[in-house]
Amino acid sequence: QVQLVESGGGVVQPGRSLRLSCAASGLSFSSYGMHWVRQAPGKGLEWVAVIWYDGSNTYYADSVKGRFTISRDNSKDTLYLQMNSLRAEDTAMYYCARGGSGGYFFDFWGQGTLVTVSS
Amino acid sequence: EIVLTQSPGTLSLSPGERATLSCRASQSVSSTYLAWYQQKPGQAPRLLISGASSRATGIPDRFSGSGSGTDFTLTISRLEPEDFGVYYCQQYGTSVTWTFGQGTKVEIK
Repeated sequence: QVQLVESGGGVVQPGRSLRLSCAASGLSFSSYGMHWVRQAPGKGLEWVAVIWYDGSNTYYADSVKGRFTISRDNSKDTLYLQMNSLRAEDTAMYYCARGGSGGYFFDFWGQGTLVTVSS
Repeated sequence: EIVLTQSPGTLSLSPGERATLSCRASQSVSSTYLAWYQQKPGQAPRLLISGASSRATGIPDRFSGSGSGTDFTLTISRLEPEDFGVYYCQQYGTSVTWTFGQGTKVEIK
């Protein structure tokens, strides 16, 4: 079955960096666009970034543009999110999600990895 | 940027009752681009509906989606105990962005 497993979260000081990973299995990873979506504690969902199935295009939410970089390694079925210049407001559960048919929605989600930005 | 506003914020209902959740967009949204998700405490969201009205694989037929333009609705015909949680609508917008509503919590009355 489709499985997405995030890792790399933790506690980090403001201004520092962190890299998240999402290992995929049970799906043709290289055939799908992939996303990161985050959820601050007790809050709603916020889309963060997307990468095309072949890595040819990336797009970001304004709140992370210039600080976060999404990438993928199709040979390893793994998605990444490099997060630099972290701020307290980046504290959230980070989910990776597969883009559904047409790319307009998210059809499979991982269980998330928690990032806490605090001094 | 299109803003999605969900109402009510909280819906208190008993098992067996009908739930009607609203999602209103600040501008017209193509039905193709509108989806609904369910999230239970401590869990990741789960896709319920895509294309405004198409149930995802394995979703029971008590869940239905409808609407067009700026007004969309998720209906749960008869609430089961496992249906309680938070529901989000989501749209795909121009400039390659995805946005969510703020959520509706469905709780046991």
